[in-house]
Amino acid sequence: GNSVTQMEGPVTLSEEAFLTINCTYTATGYPSLFWYVQYPGEGLQLLLKATKADDKGSNKGFEATYRKETTSFHLEKGSVQVSDSAVYFCALNQAGTALIFGKGTTLSVSS
Amino acid sequence: GAGVSQSPRYKVTKRGQDVALRCDPISGHVSLYWYRQALGQGPEFLTYFNYEAQQDKSGLPNDRFSAERPEGSISTLTIQRTEQRDSAMYRCASSLAPRGSSNQPQHFGDGTRLSIL
Repeated sequence: GNSVTQMEGPVTLSEEAFLTINCTYTATGYPSLFWYVQYPGEGLQLLLKATKADDKGSNKGFEATYRKETTSFHLEKGSVQVSDSAVYFCALNQAGTALIFGKGTTLSVSS
Repeated sequence: GAGVSQSPRYKVTKRGQDVALRCDPISGHVSLYWYRQALGQGPEFLTYFNYEAQQDKSGLPNDRFSAERPEGSISTLTIQRTEQRDSAMYRCASSLAPRGSSNQPQHFGDGTRLSIL
């Protein structure tokens, strides 16, 4: 069945450091891929998405590229801020079905 | 409101009691999903509605769990005879388009934190 695997955390960075959170997936067909973020005390928010191979999703300085050849959707940001501290979830679905999530990666950014 | 609203935000109850969790989706959203999230895990699918029709309940763990969306808007997830293992964050999401159509994103509420004593 379909599944998502993302790197285990926590990831601890200093402000302005480069961020990569790895995400790989297993799926039949052509899923859509998502990154959701959960800030402390808040609900899940959609951060970015990509719906087909080679698409790049981007938002708030974060980027992720849908790589079908490596079945990956790694999240990157060139310069993190303290306000980026949150839990990040990689997820997939197909044709509007239920999302399948990874376990989440906690990011902690210090000044 | 503009977003998905869930209530209560926190629920603490004794084992054996029934609980009802409410989800008010974004106005006009056709699809409604329920997920359960254990500590340190990602959300896991429970059930799905398209308008008022429950079209997939394959994720409900057992027959103590049920859900309804009688008028195609507000949904209630009910857990009967609660057990300690039911303790989790219960999340609701809604989406503009029906399942199987163009892939509209799912918008989540803040969740209900359920604790069974």
